[in-house]
Amino acid sequence: AQTVTQSQPEMSVQEAETVTLSCTYDTSENNYYLFWYKQPPSRQMILVIRQEAYKQQNATENRFSVNFQKAAKSFSLKISDSQLGDTAMYFCAFRSQGGSEKLVFGKGTKLTVNP
Amino acid sequence: DARVTQTPRHKVTEMGQEVTMRCQPILGHNTVFWYRQTMMQGLELLAYFRNRAPLDDSGMPKDRFSAEMPDATLATLKIQPSEPRDSAVYFCASGLVLRAVNNEQFFGPGTRLTVL
Repeated sequence: AQTVTQSQPEMSVQEAETVTLSCTYDTSENNYYLFWYKQPPSRQMILVIRQEAYKQQNATENRFSVNFQKAAKSFSLKISDSQLGDTAMYFCAFRSQGGSEKLVFGKGTKLTVNP
Repeated sequence: DARVTQTPRHKVTEMGQEVTMRCQPILGHNTVFWYRQTMMQGLELLAYFRNRAPLDDSGMPKDRFSAEMPDATLATLKIQPSEPRDSAVYFCASGLVLRAVNNEQFFGPGTRLTVL
């Protein structure tokens, strides 16, 4: 069974600075997808960024980028120019490509952006 | 503005009562997921459906939980009888699965359930 580990329960960063959230996962599969979801206090789950395991290029979405290290099974999220609206829980998630469609989530990292 | 809707948003009930949560997936989506979020366990899949047929309900306690899709526009999650340990936020998500095409799961706002 796949597992996802987020080793940082809480993090904080000053507005406009850069922060990196860590995520590692365990799987025996070669093809899969990885995601970062944001959950603000409203509880809404919002997809931030996704990565296909077969792609070597790291995904980027505006201020959000990932560092995907397939051999190390590591998938970190970098937030540049942090904004107050980035304050939220961030969840790393894994999904198989050929098997179950379910998302396997890490326990989350609570990020606080300070003014 | 297509979105997944869930009702009710909040539910407080007493132990032993039946609870029904409803989800309207995004029109045209063929896959519906039910996740549960608790402080202790985090986010976990309970069950999911493809074209209204259950594909995986291994995460769901079978003795008290049931999930159905009466039609393509409605998914229900029922707990009977409810217990305090069922207190959690229940999320519905929907997506369009077409062969091996990667697809996003769109989440609803969740139902916060409190069982006293």
